[in-house]
Amino acid sequence: NAGVTQTPKFRVLKTGQSMTLLCAQDMNHEYMYWYRQDPGMGLRLIHYSVGEGTTAKGEVPDGYNVSRLKKQNFLLGLESAAPSQTSVYFCASMDGLLGEQYFGPGTRLTVT
Amino acid sequence: SQQGEEDPQALSIQEGENATMNCSYKTSINNLQWYRQNSGRGLVHLILIRSNEREKHSGRLRVTLDTSKKSSSLLITASRAADTASYFCATDLRGNQFYFGTGTSLTVIP
Repeated sequence: NAGVTQTPKFRVLKTGQSMTLLCAQDMNHEYMYWYRQDPGMGLRLIHYSVGEGTTAKGEVPDGYNVSRLKKQNFLLGLESAAPSQTSVYFCASMDGLLGEQYFGPGTRLTVT
Repeated sequence: SQQGEEDPQALSIQEGENATMNCSYKTSINNLQWYRQNSGRGLVHLILIRSNEREKHSGRLRVTLDTSKKSSSLLITASRAADTASYFCATDLRGNQFYFGTGTSLTVIP
């Protein structure tokens, strides 16, 4: 039981490049989330999903897209990376309403 | 923003002492959760308190919730060096969206 895993752990992009971050969970959770964490800002919700095939915008969705084609996977895409997207990205899953979130180890992304 | 605010931003105590950190939020919530983050790691869930609860315990953790003041506190008793971490409160607005505070950085000195 690996819990929540994220790929890759580190990445450096040049402005304008694209990439996809992968989140996988093996707990059969319905809910999945993508957050970004910046110094002094806490975690901010980018997008989330309440089940396979569904996605919704969070607090800071601009510049990101997501897909949840399979229940266990939640992908976060950056179509044209900008330096403002330099951050640590965390994925989380949750088994239902009013439940606790399980977090992945994070992806540290630098955009130059 | 619905984001909560933790207070203090940083706290340094001696091993064995109690640590108290507070969280304030802006609007009505379904529940409030506390998480711990060790440096460079993902967050780990500590405790959840529902809006109709006033106090909850889990091991050395005690959480209180005052919905009239829109605030919560986390007390860690008999602190250990291993408790050194950042602590975040998270509030849920609609049951599926969560808003995290900016965190309290706790240092426990051996």
